[in-house]
Amino acid sequence: KAGVTQTPRYLIKTRGQQVTLSCSPISGHRSVSWYQQTPGQGLQFLFEYFSETQRNKGNFPGRFSGRQFSNSRSEMNVSTLELGDSALYLCASSNSGGLNEQFFGPGTRLTVL
Amino acid sequence: TQLLEQSPQFLSIQEGENLTVYCNSSSVFSSLQWYRQEPGEGPVLLVTVVTGGEVKKLKRLTFQFGDARKDSSLHITAAQPGDTGLYLCAGVRNSGNTPLVFGKGTRLSVIA
Repeated sequence: KAGVTQTPRYLIKTRGQQVTLSCSPISGHRSVSWYQQTPGQGLQFLFEYFSETQRNKGNFPGRFSGRQFSNSRSEMNVSTLELGDSALYLCASSNSGGLNEQFFGPGTRLTVL
Repeated sequence: TQLLEQSPQFLSIQEGENLTVYCNSSSVFSSLQWYRQEPGEGPVLLVTVVTGGEVKKLKRLTFQFGDARKDSSLHITAAQPGDTGLYLCAGVRNSGNTPLVFGKGTRLSVIA
């Protein structure tokens, strides 16, 4: 089975712009979660989608949003970028079992200038 | 306040040494996972422990879940440079569809 893929791998934006990141989960996985990873805060949960519906949401401002399509692929969007949004954004898919084991993609490294 | 505290934050050891890293909480978890993340990559799941007191072995890695399901440890025997990476623990607070809670990780460097 192919793993989780994320595009793009690297992105440079300026403050005020918006960005869309894409994630394709492992085939058959219906749950997709997004995380932000920074050296200071570690891995922080953004949101989870399951069957095109947001099932869980972390403590991030409304500038961070996402969606999931019928084929389970997911996108996340960040509007009005701030310098502090510079981070590694990780997508993970899960087979929705009770253990919630996550299979991560390689991440998108976002730099905001 | 971090729900899962990992220690130490950083560890640098020589090849062949043994080490233990810890993941502690005041909360009870229904299960706990360990991941390893290498530079430029996403975390990779190593193991999931479910039962209090459970011990799992993965080659030279030994994982233990505390009896009260509030803490876990990872012991590496005869560390090798390939063990270098960021070790993350993550817990499920309630069974069902609740998000994982991650610790900040232990960054391990094994020097040849």
